[in-house]
Order: sequence, then C-alpha cells, then structure tokens
Amino acid sequence: AQSVTQPDIHITVSEGASLELRCNYSYGATPYLFWYVQSPGQGLQLLLKYFSGDTLVQGIKGFEAEFKRSQSSFNLRKPSVHWSDAAEYFCAAVDGVPNSGYALNFGKGTSLLVTP
Amino acid sequence: DAMVIQNPRYQVTQFGKPVTLSCSQTLNHNVMYWYQQKSSQAPKLLFHYYDKDFNNEADTPDNFQSRRPNTSFCFLDIRSPGLGDAAMYLCATSRDGDTQYFGPGTRLTVL
Repeated sequence: AQSVTQPDIHITVSEGASLELRCNYSYGATPYLFWYVQSPGQGLQLLLKYFSGDTLVQGIKGFEAEFKRSQSSFNLRKPSVHWSDAAEYFCAAVDGVPNSGYALNFGKGTSLLVTP
Repeated sequence: DAMVIQNPRYQVTQFGKPVTLSCSQTLNHNVMYWYQQKSSQAPKLLFHYYDKDFNNEADTPDNFQSRRPNTSFCFLDIRSPGLGDAAMYLCATSRDGDTQYFGPGTRLTVL
C-alpha cells in the first residue's frame, strides 16, 4: 500500500540550531511530494513541493528539502531555526494519476518545539 | 490576495443538530476538497469535487454530504453530528489536481 512515514513524532531543537525532519515514502512510482506546516488552530501552509527535476527544492521561510530516490526520502531542512518555526510539519505525497483529484496522502506529522 | 476562505472559523452545535460549513475561493481552481482533522492526527480526505463531479472517499460516513453550487463555493453538511465528529474541517483547492492550497479551517465542537 502507498504510504508516507515521518519517523519522528516530536523533535526539539534550540533556537539557531539546524533542523532536519525526515520523511520516507512507499510508492510504486515516484509521487509528487510536499511539505506543509500547521500552526496550532490554523490551516496548512505549503512550504515546498517536488514534482521532478532538481532534487534540492527551495521553499518559503528558509526551508529546503532534498529528494533522494535511492532512499525514498524527502527530508526537510533549515540551517537556523527561529522560535516562530515551532509548529506541526506534515509530509505528503500524491500519486500523479492524470485527471484525478490527486488525494494527498499525509504522514502522521512531526511536532517541532524550539527552545531558547 | 487570492485565497481560500472558511466560515465560520469556530462552530458549536448540539448532538444531532445539522450543521453546514462553508468554503469559498478566489483562486478559480476547479478542484475543491474537504478534509477532517482530529486532534493530533493528520488530515483525512472526506471527498472532493473535480469540476462538478463529486468523488466520495470509500470510508466517508453517509452523515457527511457536500454541495458545490458554483466554482467558488463548496459546503460541507453534517446531517446528524455525533461527538466523534468534533474536529477541524479543512477545505483545500487545486487546479487539475496540482498543488493543494488550504483554508484556515473550521473548528467544530459538538455538545
């Protein structure tokens, strides 16, 4: 079955430290991949996406992600975390079937806590 | 700015009393989705409209219905809310199944 796995439920980092959130996918073919961020009580905001091409993707708020086909991974990174980055992060994948609704398949999310 | 708008942001209803949640969009996207997100869980797709075509997920309860009177608006109707339906309801849109853009959500409380 198609799945998206985020191995870390909670991550705590110090402000100013680097961050890496892990995401692995299991699909027959390479899916479209996304990272969304959700602040408490809010909707989901798109950070970045990967469809094809350059495997290092730049997003908003200083985030980037690297697609690695050999590892079936799409990890999210940020070189220096700010206190405002504390939120829930969701990795998601879509099976690129033409003319479908492209239902997002979400990982369970990683909760990021930033300490002073 | 183009956006996805959900009203109300917070909705309180009584057990069994029908409720309607609203979503509108100024992105002119042809696909609209409704997701249910329970506390500390990932969003779960309930159904989506691809243009006028309604697509229900296999495990969406019959208690949940949707209407899309035009391109810009989509409604989620819960006919007889139970305590287990308390959740955040997220609306999203996309163009032809490309990137999905989400609204701020409606937090539903069932008393």
